[in-house]
Amino acid sequence: DIQMTQSPSSLSASVGDRVTITCRASQGISNYLAWFQKKPGKAPKLLLYVASTLQSGVPSRFSGSGSGTDFTLTISSLQPEDVATYYCQNYHSDPRTFGQGTKVEI
Amino acid sequence: EVQLLESGGGLVQPGGSLRLSCAASGFTFSSFAMSWVRQAPEKGLEWVSTISGPGATTYYADSVKGRFTISRDNSKNTVYLQMESLRAEDTAVYYCTTHYGLDVWGQGTTVTVSS
Repeated sequence: DIQMTQSPSSLSASVGDRVTITCRASQGISNYLAWFQKKPGKAPKLLLYVASTLQSGVPSRFSGSGSGTDFTLTISSLQPEDVATYYCQNYHSDPRTFGQGTKVEI
Repeated sequence: EVQLLESGGGLVQPGGSLRLSCAASGFTFSSFAMSWVRQAPEKGLEWVSTISGPGATTYYADSVKGRFTISRDNSKNTVYLQMESLRAEDTAVYYCTTHYGLDVWGQGTTVTVSS
């Protein structure tokens, strides 16, 4: 199975700050990488797919990059509604494993 | 509209069994793999199990292998998760997802394993 490793596990930033989360795959997954936002009591929300394509309706302050084994999620200007836990997911092959999550606080 | 609707969660004693169901609509169900993902309290998302479209291939996380069984009935557009020998650490919200779309998730069903 492909292992997904995120860092950091948590972070605290101020409104308006630029926030960066990294995700590393244990083997190459091309750009088959998705980012999800998870809030308590809600189903995971897809933010980006194929590493850098913004899902419809997601604010443009979210962006992604990377290919192969190293990926990044960036929030260009953190907003109060962005408080959540963020997960990367490999969908290059089954099983579609997740990173351990990054909790973002303000 | 693409929809996934889970059911079957509840309170069960350690060592007990439970069967979760996920009814799908809005896409050609038999053409796409289906998965279960869970989130335990204060823990991250954990992939649990996947079944291929025809149902011939299955995958399980090590934490549930030998205790959980995923299956599907393509005539009913439904995927199941049979959970046996349940443990306290299986307490979680269980979500159904599909390879049809990364953005397609059910609302989740809560499983609580406690005496």
